[in-house]
Amino acid sequence: EAGVVQSPRYKIIEKKQPVAFWCNPISGHNTLYWYLQNLGQGPELLIRYENEEAVDDSQLPKDRFSAERLKGVDSTLKIQPAELGDSAVYLCASSLGVENIQYFGAGTRLSVL
Amino acid sequence: QKEVEQDPGPLSVPEGAIVSLNCTYSNSAFQYFMWYRQYSRKGPELLMYTYSSGNKEDGRFTAQVDKSSKYISLFIRDSQPSDSATYLCAMQGGGTSYGKLTFGQGTILTVHP
Repeated sequence: EAGVVQSPRYKIIEKKQPVAFWCNPISGHNTLYWYLQNLGQGPELLIRYENEEAVDDSQLPKDRFSAERLKGVDSTLKIQPAELGDSAVYLCASSLGVENIQYFGAGTRLSVL
Repeated sequence: QKEVEQDPGPLSVPEGAIVSLNCTYSNSAFQYFMWYRQYSRKGPELLMYTYSSGNKEDGRFTAQVDKSSKYISLFIRDSQPSDSATYLCAMQGGGTSYGKLTFGQGTILTVHP
């Protein structure tokens, strides 16, 4: 069974440019998460989806970040415009069931120059 | 003060040593406790999952939870060079906090031959 797939793995952009990340969760997992991981820190939740609905986006900086999960499967996370401080790893995770065990993708490493 | 505190290390041990990793937390609502392992440039991988005080063993790994002291530990017996990674503790509450993982900052472990 394929795990959580993220692309691209690496992205280098100049500040003020837009960027988008894509995530394909484990088949059948209805819950999808986007996390931000800064260097030397644990991941921090940005947004959580239950199917198509964003049920927790309280930590998402909505002035520049947006996310969508059309049809309740794949998801994209967008930053526009990117700032230097956005350089980090963006992780996607998915889960299914009461125990809510979250499985992570390999992440997208973003460098903003 | 962060909700979850984890000694960042780094921790360096010889092969075969017993490793002890620890986290403390302040939020009494946390009900589920996890340990993730993260290799360099990879996503976190679930190692252990527990929701009650006491010990849970899986091969060379033992997770220990003490809810009264708000303290969790991961023990690794007979450590191997392949155990070299960053170890993240993570916690989750119930109710409205269900689904949101709060991570420690991670402990970097190196096991040298």
